[in-house]
Amino acid sequence: QLQLQESGSGLVKPSQTLSLTCAVSGGSISSGGYSWSWIRQPPGKGLEWIGYIYHSGSTYYNPSLKSRVTISVDRSKNQFSLKLSSVTAADTAVYYCARVDIAAAGTYYFDYWGQGTLVTVSS
Amino acid sequence: DIQMTQSPSSLSASVGDRVTITCQASQDISNYLNWYQQKPGKAPKLLIYDASNLETGVPSRFSGSGSGTDFTFTISSLQPEDIATYYCQQYDNLSGLLTFGGGTKVEIK
Repeated sequence: QLQLQESGSGLVKPSQTLSLTCAVSGGSISSGGYSWSWIRQPPGKGLEWIGYIYHSGSTYYNPSLKSRVTISVDRSKNQFSLKLSSVTAADTAVYYCARVDIAAAGTYYFDYWGQGTLVTVSS
Repeated sequence: DIQMTQSPSSLSASVGDRVTITCQASQDISNYLNWYQQKPGKAPKLLIYDASNLETGVPSRFSGSGSGTDFTFTISSLQPEDIATYYCQQYDNLSGLLTFGGGTKVEIK
């Protein structure tokens, strides 16, 4: 059974860089047919897709965050990471990592999720 | 960018009622539309993919339909365990971008 687990700092100061890692177990991050994604959810609000990375290293980002986001993969550790720079209080949210199923001829969808980790931006 | 308009934002229904949620895309997305259920404090769970395909293990009272710009998600007989917020999510195969709808909170009357 595939499992994803987020880790990283739960408190980040304004203007600094948020850094999170998602450890994948029960499967290889290099498997074809999948990409790896980050999604966030501000307290009491809806879901916002941040971006995803293919096993090749190609990335796609939400245009509203693109200038501040970097997603990368570490195949040796079977994990992928998120960096979000110049954070403000508006970046306070639960951050989820998820696997994206891209194998089928149809849509891309999130089939496995981490439990989520709350990141608070505050001085 | 494709925008997703989900409605209603919340609803209240009785156990056994038929519940319908709609999602409208700002442009044609074929059938690249998925539905998720999120219970409080939990990660979302995939229910429907490709607009109408039921994910393995999901009860058959959940269904989805639609194509192009207009999509519908239905719970045929609302159960107490269905209390959650439901989200649609689209995939733009031209840009590679993904977008969620605003969510619908379902409560028991």
